[in-house]
Amino acid sequence: DAMVIQNPRYQVTQFGKPVTLSCSQTLNHNVMYWYQQKSSQAPKLLFHYYDKDFNNEADTPDNFQSRRPNTSFCFLDIRSPGLGDAAMYLCATSRTGWETQYFGPGTRLLVL
Amino acid sequence: GEDVEQSLFLSVREGDSSVINCTYTDSSSTYLYWYKQEPGAGLQLLTYIFSNMDMKQDQRLTVLLNKKDKHLSLRIADTQTGDSAIYFCASWDTNAGKSTFGDGTTLTVKP
Repeated sequence: DAMVIQNPRYQVTQFGKPVTLSCSQTLNHNVMYWYQQKSSQAPKLLFHYYDKDFNNEADTPDNFQSRRPNTSFCFLDIRSPGLGDAAMYLCATSRTGWETQYFGPGTRLLVL
Repeated sequence: GEDVEQSLFLSVREGDSSVINCTYTDSSSTYLYWYKQEPGAGLQLLTYIFSNMDMKQDQRLTVLLNKKDKHLSLRIADTQTGDSAIYFCASWDTNAGKSTFGDGTTLTVKP
């Protein structure tokens, strides 16, 4: 059974049109992460939630926002997608900060 | 901040052993991880090692940690074509409170 679910798996949006990516987990983990991964590169952490506490990486553009309405769900909002935002977006969870991270299958975003 | 480096490519023949190497800079890294990523998929945790260990074995996988040299390796015995993927090394940065990933090693297994 899938433990970290991401929807949709593929998302096509237009330049400048807001888009929301979704992540849900059945593990009841405290921490949820959003990573951006471009082709042949390491995943880049955008931000994470420890419970309801939001932690933004210093170099994450303001164009990227996140919401965590409850333990199970976390959303990534891209307010005005640019061509450079086309990437794979990975959601991950962990019970506490240092423990193993469980990754979802990712959402591949295409910006036209 | 922490820096994690890996060689980018490795090619082996089916049945041979593969050794993927990784170096890191933060001596306070408590956990070191190996993840596998197949095309178009998320990252799958293969194994991890705590910093007070030198070696960990899990079936075909052997992780060696040289803490003095800040060097981590992943050995895959009897490598199969299904092992072809990108392998990421990652360290838990205690000070930053997050994981730092290497750029990944693309393993190609030839029949």
